[in-house]
Amino acid sequence: GALVYQYPRRTICKSGTSMRMECQAVGFQATSVAWYRQSPQKTFELIALSTVNSAIKYEQNFTQEKFPISHPNLSFSSMTVLNAYLEDRGLYLCGAWTGGNQDTQYFGPGTRLLVL
Amino acid sequence: GEQVEQLPSSLIVQEGASVLINCSYTDSASVYFPWYKQEPGKRLQFIIDIRSNMERKQNQRLTLLFDKKTKHLSLHITATQPGDSAIYFCSASINYGGSGNKLIFGTGTLLSVKP
Repeated sequence: GALVYQYPRRTICKSGTSMRMECQAVGFQATSVAWYRQSPQKTFELIALSTVNSAIKYEQNFTQEKFPISHPNLSFSSMTVLNAYLEDRGLYLCGAWTGGNQDTQYFGPGTRLLVL
Repeated sequence: GEQVEQLPSSLIVQEGASVLINCSYTDSASVYFPWYKQEPGKRLQFIIDIRSNMERKQNQRLTLLFDKKTKHLSLHITATQPGDSAIYFCSASINYGGSGNKLIFGTGTLLSVKP
């Protein structure tokens, strides 16, 4: 079946430092990958949508300079949170689209970022 | 911008009861509506979806109804079990300027099923 893995599951970083998180699609080829941040109130913010061989599209309030994304192939994506501060805390979710006629998005378990 | 409203925000029911979760969206261009379930500490789990060319879809104890005219969806869960306790999210897919699709999520419904 289709599964999405994320690594690490949890990370703590010092304020002003950066951390990288990874997303791996297993059992299918992800035509595009979306990165979201889930707040403590459980609401979702889309950070960016990355489609292989297309420019990565960032939502308002999120920039490539702050959240650079790499999407080298149809099964792997990574995102870095640069210069993390308290407001960057949250659960970062990767959602991978399967493509095709029954295009469906499957999510990884998330990377929880704590900033000290 | 695009919005998805979801009600109620929380539900507490006895085991065996049925529940209804309502969702409305604003962007008439949305054509795909997946629903997810999130248990504490677990991943967002896909449970059912519907596309705009359908009015009804059923998957075991889940029935999803869609009204394109009113831009409204409702998820009906029958014979609830304690294992159904989770936060349920509706979402609407919107084409992201030709680069693929993005999901706009509702605010979630916290369902608690008491044994």
